[in-house]
Amino acid sequence: EAEVAQSPRYKITEKSQAVAFWCDPISGHATLYWYRQILGQGPELLVQFQDESVVDDSQLPKDRFSAERLKGVDSTLKIQPAELGDSAMYLCASSSDRVGSDTQYFGPGTRLTVL
Amino acid sequence: GQQVMQIPQYQHVQEGEDFTTYCNSSTTLSNIQWYKQRPGGHPVFLIQLVKSGEVKKQKRLTFQFGEAKKNSSLHITATQTTDVGTYFCAGGSPGANNLFFGTGTRLTVIP
Repeated sequence: EAEVAQSPRYKITEKSQAVAFWCDPISGHATLYWYRQILGQGPELLVQFQDESVVDDSQLPKDRFSAERLKGVDSTLKIQPAELGDSAMYLCASSSDRVGSDTQYFGPGTRLTVL
Repeated sequence: GQQVMQIPQYQHVQEGEDFTTYCNSSTTLSNIQWYKQRPGGHPVFLIQLVKSGEVKKQKRLTFQFGEAKKNSSLHITATQTTDVGTYFCAGGSPGANNLFFGTGTRLTVIP
């Protein structure tokens, strides 16, 4: 069964450093999402791509976060500089329905710890 | 902005007891999805409800979508230890392309 791939699975960094996360969605899925999940809370959408275009980045802290999906396939989420409050699980998900109401398939996530 | 709340936040049940979690949206939804996240895992899709008043069943799980499409519930009959995890509802807004996840209900099943 096809899965969403993410790397790294775990990342420990010091504050003010730069970090980057990678996501490879299920093949053929046009929509890709990045979520942040703080322990004990639900996933919060950071950015949504439709192919290579950003559909929604209203909740993305653009002063330090950036995301790209240059060829409309895999995607990278970057944080620079990292802050203590950025410690969380970063989840990538993909779906095939352009309307966005179809099933979202989540990757295993990257757990970020900022020291 | 849109908010999706779930109650209760935590639920501890004895194995064999029933469990229900409730999801309420501040706005009318186009659809609602339910996900299960095991401890240390990632959210896994369970079901999607689209129609007003819709009821769907998956073995011991029953999902309902309210008539006004602003609330939903998940009921588990005769819980098992494999049901342990956090259950999230996620609502889609009409005309929008994303989901708003609820706060989740963390279920613990005591053997």
